[in-house]
Amino acid sequence: GDSVTQMEGPVTLSEEAFLTINCTYTATGYPSLFWYVQYPGEGLQLLLKATKADDKGSNKGFEATYRKETTSFHLEKGSVQVSDSAVYFCALMTLANFGNEKLTFGTGTRLTIIP
Amino acid sequence: DTGVSQNPRHKITKRGQNVTFRCDPISEHNRLYWYRQTLGQGPEFLTYFQNEAQLEKSRLLSDRFSAERPKGSFSTLEIQRTEQGDSAMYLCASSLSRPPDTQYFGPGTRLTVL
Repeated sequence: GDSVTQMEGPVTLSEEAFLTINCTYTATGYPSLFWYVQYPGEGLQLLLKATKADDKGSNKGFEATYRKETTSFHLEKGSVQVSDSAVYFCALMTLANFGNEKLTFGTGTRLTIIP
Repeated sequence: DTGVSQNPRHKITKRGQNVTFRCDPISEHNRLYWYRQTLGQGPEFLTYFQNEAQLEKSRLLSDRFSAERPKGSFSTLEIQRTEQGDSAMYLCASSLSRPPDTQYFGPGTRLTVL
């Protein structure tokens, strides 16, 4: 079945450091790929997405490129801020029965940025 | 756009009791999803509605769980005879079917079964 393997946390970085959170996936067909973020006390928010191979999703300084050859979708940011502290989830979407665009999530990576 | 809302935000119950959660999706969204998230894990798919029809259920959804979406608007998720293993965050998400769209999540209902 479909699965997402995500870099284990927690990850602690200093402000302005470079961030990489690794994500690899296993899926049949051609999934869409997502990064969601969960800030403390809040619901999941879409951070960025890519729907086909070689697409790059970007938002708020974060980027991720859909790499079909390595089945990866690593999240990067050049200079993190304290406000980026959150839990980050990598996810894939495949089309199941009856139009069900089911999301399969990784286990999440907790990121803490220290001033 | 008021976003997806869920009520209650927290529920504490004793083992064996029944509980019901409500989800109000974004108004024009015809697709609605329920997920369950346990501590330290990512959300797992439970069930899916298109309009009022429940079209797919995960094997995670035991017979004690039932979900409805009357009139294709809000949805309810009921758990009968709760067990301690049901303790989790229950998330609702909604999306449009045309074009295929991002799922927007609510804040979740945290269930604690004592």
